[in-house]
Amino acid sequence: EIVLTQSPGTLSLSPGERATLSCRASQSVSSSYLAWYQQKPGQAPRLLIYGASSRATGIPDRFSGSGSGTDFTLTISRLEPEDFAVYYCQQYGSSPGIFTFGPGTKVDIK
Amino acid sequence: QVQLQESGPGLVKPSQTLSLTCTVSGGSISSGGYYWSWIRQHPGKGLEWIGYIYYSGSTYYNPSLKSRVTISVDTSKNQFSLKLSSVTAADTAVYYCALVVVITRTVDYWGQGTLVTVSS
Repeated sequence: EIVLTQSPGTLSLSPGERATLSCRASQSVSSSYLAWYQQKPGQAPRLLIYGASSRATGIPDRFSGSGSGTDFTLTISRLEPEDFAVYYCQQYGSSPGIFTFGPGTKVDIK
Repeated sequence: QVQLQESGPGLVKPSQTLSLTCTVSGGSISSGGYYWSWIRQHPGKGLEWIGYIYYSGSTYYNPSLKSRVTISVDTSKNQFSLKLSSVTAADTAVYYCALVVVITRTVDYWGQGTLVTVSS
């Protein structure tokens, strides 16, 4: 079973700053099936990035994803007030067909 | 626009079976291309995949929960359901029903989530 590790656990930044979030897999992951989600308190998560680097519908271009193999990154180029939230990476592995989430990175206001 | 809504008891006694239903609107549960899924989130914690069902009835469950989980679909009501048996306090969580797009293997739609507390 693939385990996802996210770092840092918490990222304290100011609006306008750049955020770089890491997701590392215990073994190689198909880039086609690596996604990122944003979750705000009291809400369900929202899909941001799929296929490691493609933005979901309606997601601003300040969000970008990159990476391959075991190392993936979510970058928020300039933090807006509404971007302070928890971010999860998620992967699908076909053998077996299981979905797993990382533990999350909280981006909070410095 | 697909919408998902969970329903079921918010309080379940230890050792009993947790039962939740997800009602789908704005789309047919019989259409291919989607995995109808359950995901849970323990209070203040991360997300845990429970399992999913395809419209054909085929299922996949998280190995850590497999012995206690059943997911089924009722196409006549456009609903799918979760049963989790022999619950303990560790099963207290917000339970989400969700739509996974098969092509991307992403959760594109989520229900609002329902808190289920296991307590006597």
